[in-house]
Amino acid sequence: GENVEQHPSTLSVQEGDSAVIKCTYSDSASNYFPWYKQELGKGPQLIIDIRSNVGEKKDQRIAVTLNKTAKHFSLHITETQPEDSAVYFCAAWRGGADGLTFGKGTHLIIQP
Amino acid sequence: NAGVTQTPKFQVLKTGQSMTLQCAQDMNHNSMYWYRQDPGMGLRLIYYSASEGTTDKGEVPNGYNVSRLNKREFSLRLESAAPSQTSVYFCASSTDYLGEQYFGPGTRLTVT
Repeated sequence: GENVEQHPSTLSVQEGDSAVIKCTYSDSASNYFPWYKQELGKGPQLIIDIRSNVGEKKDQRIAVTLNKTAKHFSLHITETQPEDSAVYFCAAWRGGADGLTFGKGTHLIIQP
Repeated sequence: NAGVTQTPKFQVLKTGQSMTLQCAQDMNHNSMYWYRQDPGMGLRLIYYSASEGTTDKGEVPNGYNVSRLNKREFSLRLESAAPSQTSVYFCASSTDYLGEQYFGPGTRLTVT
């Protein structure tokens, strides 16, 4: 089945700096890659997603890039703010019966 | 719209007891999912229902059963709870099987 690896597990950045979280996937048939943000005690919230026919997608301070050849995708957050502190999960979907396969998460800490 | 709701929020069971976790969505979504989240493991799919009347196993279905009661509701049942089922359980829904998934707030279950 699909396997998604996510790095780093913890990322600490100064407020105002950029943060980058990277994921790799194993199944070249995967074609949908969402990113979720999870705040303490809450469910994951979709923040951005990308499909395999697109190389980059941007939404204000958040962007996602996809390299299908290398089978990796990344989340970029610019001008980080305290409210960006959370756990971020990447996921991949290859169709069929397996649903979304999630990475193990990155705890993003924004230092004031 | 309430989105995806889950009950209860917290539950403590003794080994061998049974219980049902309830999930409902008011977004008219066809597909619904149950995940479990364990520390350092990300989210893993237990069961899913691609449409009303159908259910299928995910990555970790052992020890669980599900019922898609109608288009809105999807329940998860533990027939004989085990300590290994201590986890946070999330229900999610999407418009179709390729669509973005919306998560509920979760149920924190402890089995002693």
